[in-house]
Amino acid sequence: SQTIHQWPATLVQPVGSPLSLECTVEGTSNPNLYWYRQAAGRGLQLLFYSVGIGQISSEVPQNLSASRPQDRQFILSSKKLLLSDSGFYLCAWRRTGTSGASYNEQFFGPGTRLTVL
Amino acid sequence: GQNIDQPTEMTATEGAIVQINCTYQTSGFNGLFWYQQHAGEAPTFLSYNVLDGLEEKGRFSSFLSRSKGYSYLLLKELQMKDSASYLCAVAGVGGSTLGRLYFGRGTQLTVWP
Repeated sequence: SQTIHQWPATLVQPVGSPLSLECTVEGTSNPNLYWYRQAAGRGLQLLFYSVGIGQISSEVPQNLSASRPQDRQFILSSKKLLLSDSGFYLCAWRRTGTSGASYNEQFFGPGTRLTVL
Repeated sequence: GQNIDQPTEMTATEGAIVQINCTYQTSGFNGLFWYQQHAGEAPTFLSYNVLDGLEEKGRFSSFLSRSKGYSYLLLKELQMKDSASYLCAVAGVGGSTLGRLYFGRGTQLTVWP
């Protein structure tokens, strides 16, 4: 079976500090990977998605970046956090090379709650 | 562009039936998902519709009309544990939208005893 991990679960960081959030997927190969942010009371905002190692598409031009150094590892980073970066960060994965009802389904990790002070 | 619209909040009482609507205007359509998200947790899959009609799964049903750009999630015999946010999402078709889900802002459902 497939599982997705995210860490840390919670994080409190001062403004201007760096950030690194990690996401790993087990039990599948060559997944599509996604980073979302959810601000309090808001919907899911897609930040980055990746279809393969080293391939990153950015949806929101901000002070965040993403990398995919390995097939099942996805990292979200920032050099200097802003107050507006606070939120709930979710990593998700999607199967590739399949068809049918589950083709577009995304599976979410447990999330990281980031508070920037 | 992609526009997914759903009500912000709804309330209902335990044992009742509630219908959460979702309308969408997207450049392509490859199916519609409903996810449930409890506070502080990750969204979890509830249902998927790609053809018109009703899909029933236990207490939950989901309906789709592609011609109207409309879907609803029907929750029967409401329980306190159904209090959560319900997210409507449309799957992109191809090009830059392939593999993407476009989410609405979510409907926060509160179930009262």
